[in-house]
Amino acid sequence: AQSVTQPDIHITVSEGASLELRCNYSYGATPYLFWYVQSPGQGLQLLLKYFSGDTLVQGIKGFEAEFKRSQSSFNLRKPSVHWSDAAEYFCAVGYILTGGGNKLTFGTGTQLKVEL
Amino acid sequence: DGGITQSPKYLFRKEGQNVTLSCEQNLNHDAMYWYRQDPGQGLRLIYYSQIVNDFQKGDIAEGYSVSREKKESFPLTVTSAQKNPTAFYLCASSIGTTRGYTFGSGTRLTVV
Repeated sequence: AQSVTQPDIHITVSEGASLELRCNYSYGATPYLFWYVQSPGQGLQLLLKYFSGDTLVQGIKGFEAEFKRSQSSFNLRKPSVHWSDAAEYFCAVGYILTGGGNKLTFGTGTQLKVEL
Repeated sequence: DGGITQSPKYLFRKEGQNVTLSCEQNLNHDAMYWYRQDPGQGLRLIYYSQIVNDFQKGDIAEGYSVSREKKESFPLTVTSAQKNPTAFYLCASSIGTTRGYTFGSGTRLTVV
């Protein structure tokens, strides 16, 4: 069965500093990988996704992530964090369902706090 | 604008009562999903549906039921058999296999 581990429950960074959120996955085949962001009391918004090809993917809001098959990782990065980036971030691994759609398994999330 | 609408945003019910959470989408997405979110546990899949009149159990389906009579609608009923129903419930939809999910804004259910 597929699984996702986000080892950091909470991370605090200063505004303007760089950010890296860790994500490790377990999946037998080539994974489909996603990062989502959630503001308090809201739904999840897709930041970026990886399916194949270039292992460095760019997303919205200046985020990027790098897929490393040898390490089973898909870490999220941002060169300079803004106060508005404070939120909870979820990594997810998915596989295609027979008949259409895909099933995502989510990590437990990393809560990002940004200090001004 | 296209999107997913979940209603109500907050819901309070007495223990032992069934309650139905609404999820409507106008994105023309084929697949729809229900997730439950608890602090520190991430999102867990309750049910999903790939086409009208068909749905599958997810990882934590016990105590829940769904229907998919229309492509646009995927209501979730939390029954009295659900031992710990207080949680944040998220509905999502997807089209194809490579675009990820679009999420609704969630319903927070509190059972007292």
